[in-house]
Amino acid sequence: EVQLVESGGGLVKPGGSLRLSCVASGFAFRSFGMNWVRQAPGGGLEWVASINDNGGSIYYADSVKGRFTISRDDAENSLFLQMHSLRAEDTALYYCAREEGSANPFDYWGQGTLVTVSS
Amino acid sequence: DIQMTQSPSTLSASVGDRVTLTCRASQTVSKWLAWYQQKPGKAPQLLIFKASTLQKGVPSRFSGSGSGTEFTLTIASLQPDDVAIYYCQEYSTYSGTFGQGTKVEIK
Repeated sequence: EVQLVESGGGLVKPGGSLRLSCVASGFAFRSFGMNWVRQAPGGGLEWVASINDNGGSIYYADSVKGRFTISRDDAENSLFLQMHSLRAEDTALYYCAREEGSANPFDYWGQGTLVTVSS
Repeated sequence: DIQMTQSPSTLSASVGDRVTLTCRASQTVSKWLAWYQQKPGKAPQLLIFKASTLQKGVPSRFSGSGSGTEFTLTIASLQPDDVAIYYCQEYSTYSGTFGQGTKVEIK
């Protein structure tokens, strides 16, 4: 069974940093692209960042470029999102989502980890 | 960047009704369009990809159509379990832009 389990969310002050993790199981993690998608409270879905299966292609939404870094550790079946210079508008539930290959839909999602940016 | 616009924002219909949701892209995305269902308090689930291909396990009352810039998701006979927000997503580009969602309610 495919499982994606996010962790690392919490309350952080504006300007602070946080590192999110997503541990995958039930599939060959190294063969899939991975994404972070966020959802502000009561809001819609916003794609944040993607990394392809070999880590050679990485993309970011304009809203997080230069502040967030996506990475992966295939030995640990893990995806990460390092977030710096956090703003109130980054407050959201952050999901990791699997993508077969690249430029494909997201066929499995985790349950999300909540990031709250507030003083 | 491609913008995705969904209509209506909210749809209220009776059990058994046929309902149609629309998604428009600001420029062509060919057939690279997916639909997701998000039930309250849950993560989104992939329903349809490549505009009209049903994901495994999705009930056959769901169908998708369209290409280019205009797409529809149809629920042939609305069921109480279909209460959710439905999002379209283009994946013709690396960014995978989502529409703002259509909330489906039971009248």
